[in-house]
Amino acid sequence: KQEVTQIPAALSVPEGENLVLNCSFTDSAIYNLQWFRQDPGKGLTSLLLIQSSQREQTSGRLNASLDKSSGRSTLYIAASQPGDSATYLCAVRAGGTSYGKLTFGQGTILTVHP
Amino acid sequence: EAGVTQSPTHLIKTRGQQATLRCSPISGHTSVYWYQQALGLGLQFLLWYDEGEERNRGNFPPRFSGRQFPNYSSELNVNALELEDSALYLCASSRQVNTEAFFGQGTRLTVV
Repeated sequence: KQEVTQIPAALSVPEGENLVLNCSFTDSAIYNLQWFRQDPGKGLTSLLLIQSSQREQTSGRLNASLDKSSGRSTLYIAASQPGDSATYLCAVRAGGTSYGKLTFGQGTILTVHP
Repeated sequence: EAGVTQSPTHLIKTRGQQATLRCSPISGHTSVYWYQQALGLGLQFLLWYDEGEERNRGNFPPRFSGRQFPNYSSELNVNALELEDSALYLCASSRQVNTEAFFGQGTRLTVV
């Protein structure tokens, strides 16, 4: 059974810092991994999708890496801003009985203070 | 281009009643997914529909059911509501299975 873990559970940083969020998964046979952000009480916003054959993806100040063999992904946020404050979730897609399903981690709650 | 839309935004039901939640996917997307986000439990996979058929379901009782219509919109039905069903229900769509998923803003279901 696929399990996804995110570390840390919460992170508080001053504005302008570069930071790294970690995601690990137990079954390396994945199709892809997707990072999302969620504002309180809202839906999820897709940030980045990394295919299993890729090593990294970049979008603006965000960079996500994937090491499938070790079951790890990191989301790097450069020059953090108060507007980045949200819960960040990673999710993986696998096959077998999990086909079509995203398995989510519990998320990292990020607070960026001015 | 419109995103995934869900209705209603909020829904209050009494225990034992039935709830119907609706989802319209992004134009051109054929796969629709439903997730439950209960307080403290994270996002749990409920159902996946593609081309009008249920393709996979999560570990939920049969009183959670749904369907997908010919225009790819979807309904989630929850029968015999229990207090523990109170949660944010999120719908997502993707162009094909295993491609990037986009989520709606959710329906907040409260069972009293």
